[in-house]
Amino acid sequence: DIQMTQSPSSLSASVGDKVTITCQASQHISKFLSWYRQKPGKAPELLIYGASNLETGVPSRFSGSGSGRDFTFTISSLQPEDIATYYCQQYDNIPFTFGPGTKVDIK
Amino acid sequence: EVQLVESGGGLVQPGRSLRLSCTTSGFTFNDYPMSWVRQAPGKGLEWVGFIRTKPFGGTAEYAASVKGRFTISRDDDKNIAYLQMNSLKHEDTAVYYCTRDRGTVPFVSPWGQGTLVIVSS
Repeated sequence: DIQMTQSPSSLSASVGDKVTITCQASQHISKFLSWYRQKPGKAPELLIYGASNLETGVPSRFSGSGSGRDFTFTISSLQPEDIATYYCQQYDNIPFTFGPGTKVDIK
Repeated sequence: EVQLVESGGGLVQPGRSLRLSCTTSGFTFNDYPMSWVRQAPGKGLEWVGFIRTKPFGGTAEYAASVKGRFTISRDDDKNIAYLQMNSLKHEDTAVYYCTRDRGTVPFVSPWGQGTLVIVSS
């Protein structure tokens, strides 16, 4: 199985700050990587697929980059509604696997 | 509007069975593979399995943790996906979400609201 790691596990930032989360796969996954936001008490929502493609309707402050094993997720200007846990997930191989999550809150 | 609504969760004893349903609307159900993802209390997300569309055989794939105990099926006439869970264990306690896949991209939005399954004696 492909293992996914994320860093950091949690972070605090101010509204308007740039936030960056990294994700690493245990083996090469090309660009078969998604990013999800899960607000407290809610279902996850897809933000980025194919490592860098913004899902329809998702604000442009979210972006993703990377390929192979190393990926980055960025919020260009943190908003109060971005308080959430963020997960990366690979879909190159079955079983699909998620990272452990990065909890983001407002400083 | 695309909607997915899970139902069927509840409290069940270890070793017993439960069937979850995912009732959908707002999209052409038979064109989409359907997946189940679960989340244990306070934990991260875990893929449970998915079922392909009929043109691709309608077959399913499962996580190792549930293979042989869980079965995913679909009723394309009723636009419902099912998760039959047998021989339930304490570690199956989780919120179960259903999602749909779009082409090669799994778990597109919106997800269902989730249904809580508690396995306890």
